[in-house]
Amino acid sequence: DVKVTQSSRYLVKRTGEKVFLECVQDMDHENMFWYRQDPGLGLRLIYFSYDVKMKEKGDIPEGYSVSREKKERFSLILESASTNQTSMYLCASSSGLLTQYFGPGTRLTVL
Amino acid sequence: GENVEQHPSTLSVQEGDSAVIKCTYSDSASNYFPWYKQELGKRPQLIIDIRSNVGEKKDQRIAVTLNKTAKHFSLHITETQPEDSAVYFCAASNYQLIWGAGTKLIIKP
Repeated sequence: DVKVTQSSRYLVKRTGEKVFLECVQDMDHENMFWYRQDPGLGLRLIYFSYDVKMKEKGDIPEGYSVSREKKERFSLILESASTNQTSMYLCASSSGLLTQYFGPGTRLTVL
Repeated sequence: GENVEQHPSTLSVQEGDSAVIKCTYSDSASNYFPWYKQELGKRPQLIIDIRSNVGEKKDQRIAVTLNKTAKHFSLHITETQPEDSAVYFCAASNYQLIWGAGTKLIIKP
């Protein structure tokens, strides 16, 4: 079974803080993705990575950066958290460009 | 850019009845169409997918149909049950998945 884990289920941060969200997958998938999910807006792609040290912007990259130093780990970084970044963040991985396997999500609240 | 439209945003059906969710896509090169189910508080999970060389695919109570000419595809759930209550997402892919906005399916007892 594919296992995708995220570092926290719930996180509360203050405006201006630097926030790290980590995602780890154990299936040797080359592709990893970060999404945010907001009511009525579906899944919006923030960043994705097709290989170690490689990253591509998704639809809404502003205010975020990512890091992929190892194949199994993909980190999402909020350099200076803002209240409009309060959301559910979902990580996913895939082999090839097809089925994506999701982590449990991190619900981030920025006060 | 490419987009996927999904309708309806909310669907309420009586238990035992059928439910149909429809999606249209803009990129004619799309060749892979998955459907994901997200139960409340859980992660999205793939429930069925179809490739562009197939017009229909069934798996027990769920089926997906694809009309490449019209660029739309649909999810059909028959004999709905309470555990079918969830948000369903469609997506279309040429080289990257483009997601629909989701449909909240409510099964009324």
